[in-house]
Amino acid sequence: GQQVMQIPQYQHVQEGEDFTTYCNSSTTLSNIQWYKQRPGGHPVFLIQLVKSGEVKKQKRLTFQFGEAKKNSSLHITATQTTDVGTYFCAGRNQGGKLIFGQGTELSVKP
Amino acid sequence: NAGVMQNPRHLVRRRGQEARLRCSPVKGHSHVYWYRQLPEEGLKFMVYLQKENIIDESGMPKERFSAEFPKEGPSILRIQQVVRGDSAAYFCASSPDLEGEKLFFGSGTQLSVL
Repeated sequence: GQQVMQIPQYQHVQEGEDFTTYCNSSTTLSNIQWYKQRPGGHPVFLIQLVKSGEVKKQKRLTFQFGEAKKNSSLHITATQTTDVGTYFCAGRNQGGKLIFGQGTELSVKP
Repeated sequence: NAGVMQNPRHLVRRRGQEARLRCSPVKGHSHVYWYRQLPEEGLKFMVYLQKENIIDESGMPKERFSAEFPKEGPSILRIQQVVRGDSAAYFCASSPDLEGEKLFFGSGTQLSVL
């Protein structure tokens, strides 16, 4: 079945350093979404990408959707302690089901 | 506006008992999804329902697990004869009528099986 792989599983950075997480799907996606889950919390929607090659920015966060619509990335510039949490990508296949990656847990040392 | 409401927040059951997890979606949302999360793991899709219909239950074990989303009332995820391996956080999410919309998650139910 369809798989969505996300790397790395963990990332520890010093405050101010950049951070990137990558997401790859075994099949072409109709769209991809990104969510953030704070420790002890629930996933919260960040953004959705639909078009091939699309790039979207939210302040220090940059999201990309690959040309083949099979991969995506989230890049955070100059991390802050408030960025701590687990970032999930979620790919929607042609049938409409949303499949989540395993997530990347980000810790930021002040 | 109330978000997705899940209850109970914590549920403790002994092996062999039944667990019933409730989820009230955002008002006006007719799509409900259930996900299961183990510590330090991702969200594993279980089932996708619309009002009175199961659309996709491919992620749900065939035995002991069932889900419903009646015309009136909350969505229910039911686990019969629980085993220790059922211990996990169960998240419910809802979305509006249109497919492709973002999911709104509830706070989850932490199920502990003794």
